[in-house]
Amino acid sequence: GAVVSQHPSWVICKSGTSVKIECRSLDFQATTMFWYRQFPKQSLMLMATSNEGSKATYEQGVEKDKFLINHASLTLSTLTVTSAHPEDSSFYICSATTSGDPYEQYFGPGTRLTVT
Amino acid sequence: TQLLEQSPQFLSIQEGENLTVYCNSSSVFSSLQWYRQEPGEGPVLLVTVVTGGEVKKLKRLTFQFGDARKDSSLHITAAQPGDTGLYLCAGARDDKIIFGKGTRLHILP
Repeated sequence: GAVVSQHPSWVICKSGTSVKIECRSLDFQATTMFWYRQFPKQSLMLMATSNEGSKATYEQGVEKDKFLINHASLTLSTLTVTSAHPEDSSFYICSATTSGDPYEQYFGPGTRLTVT
Repeated sequence: TQLLEQSPQFLSIQEGENLTVYCNSSSVFSSLQWYRQEPGEGPVLLVTVVTGGEVKKLKRLTFQFGDARKDSSLHITAAQPGDTGLYLCAGARDDKIIFGKGTRLHILP
């Protein structure tokens, strides 16, 4: 149980275009979903926290107009990187928590974004 | 300010050896999680510890939560190449989850 999927697993896009990444909880309803960014050989950097039906809470330094998060249902959250630039290239990972324990996170497999 | 310090940052040892990874803080956490992440994949939850002094075992992995709930350790007995990965601890405090920087473990066959 507690499986989280992400789509796409990798994407290459041109500078200036937008990219949408989907995060789905497959077998449970996610109370909260998180979006992280991870640089090579580094730990996770929390970008934002989202709850279904409400606006995402962004961490300090994360541009909410650039990284649009929509949490349309209890099983789906999307991250859209708008007007992508090469410096946005990274590994983006989502996670979700269940109602059982708000602190145990179930992570998706990640999305590798490369902006050329 | 790094609220959750992990040590060592890197560790490369021979198969069969034992090792311990530490996760330390000056803050009290209501719970603490350990995750393992392999390259190109998302982290996988290994364990949650909640009670001060709690010890949990997962096959060759032993997790301990400090009595004061400020620190935790992960001990691996007879390490295997399959244990290779990035080990992350995460502490829950004030409705926030704080990740350590991780310990990159490499087990040599």
